[in-house]
Amino acid sequence: DVVMTQSPLSLSVTLGQPATISCKSSQSLVYSDGNTHLNWFQQRPGQSPRRLIYKVSTRDSGVPDRFSGSGSGTDFTLKISRVEAEDVGVYYCMQAAHWPRTFGQGTKVEIK
Amino acid sequence: EVQLVGSGGDLVQPGGSLRLSCAASGFTFSDDWMSWVRQAPGKGLEWVASIKKDGSEKRYVDSVRGRFTISRDNAKNSLYLQMNSLRVEDTAVYFCVRGAWLFGDWGQGGLVTVSS
Repeated sequence: DVVMTQSPLSLSVTLGQPATISCKSSQSLVYSDGNTHLNWFQQRPGQSPRRLIYKVSTRDSGVPDRFSGSGSGTDFTLKISRVEAEDVGVYYCMQAAHWPRTFGQGTKVEIK
Repeated sequence: EVQLVGSGGDLVQPGGSLRLSCAASGFTFSDDWMSWVRQAPGKGLEWVASIKKDGSEKRYVDSVRGRFTISRDNAKNSLYLQMNSLRVEDTAVYFCVRGAWLFGDWGQGGLVTVSS
């Protein structure tokens, strides 16, 4: 199975400051269709997960542009340029290039 | 607007069975793979199973293979998860999800509690 390793596992950020979450996979996430299937999800307290980013860097409709995804191969990053109060929650990366699909452990973001 | 409305979560004894359902609307159900993802209390997300558009291909995480069956009825725009031989460690909120690569839309989740 592909192991997804996120760091850090928790992040305390001052409002308006940036935050960066790393996600590393144990295998390349380049799929046979040429796409790199790495997704990022946000889960706010008490809510279902919501996809923020797919295929490494494509932001979902309605997701603020302070969220950005980057990376390639086995190393990926989610950046929040200026953290806002509504960004509190847990962030997960997930690979969909291999079966079984696997998630990172999650990174809890809180406001300092 | 895409909607995925789950039902069927309940309290069940170890060794028991339960069937989860998910009613889909707002998109052409038969055009998409569908998946189940679960989350144990206070824990992270775990992919459980996915099914191809026409039901001809199914994938499972090892821990549920042989006990859980994913299925769909495209005429009813519905996804199912039949869970047999349930274990305490299957206790989780189960989410119905659109897709098996993009996981773009998630249902509200249903709680399955396996306990004696």
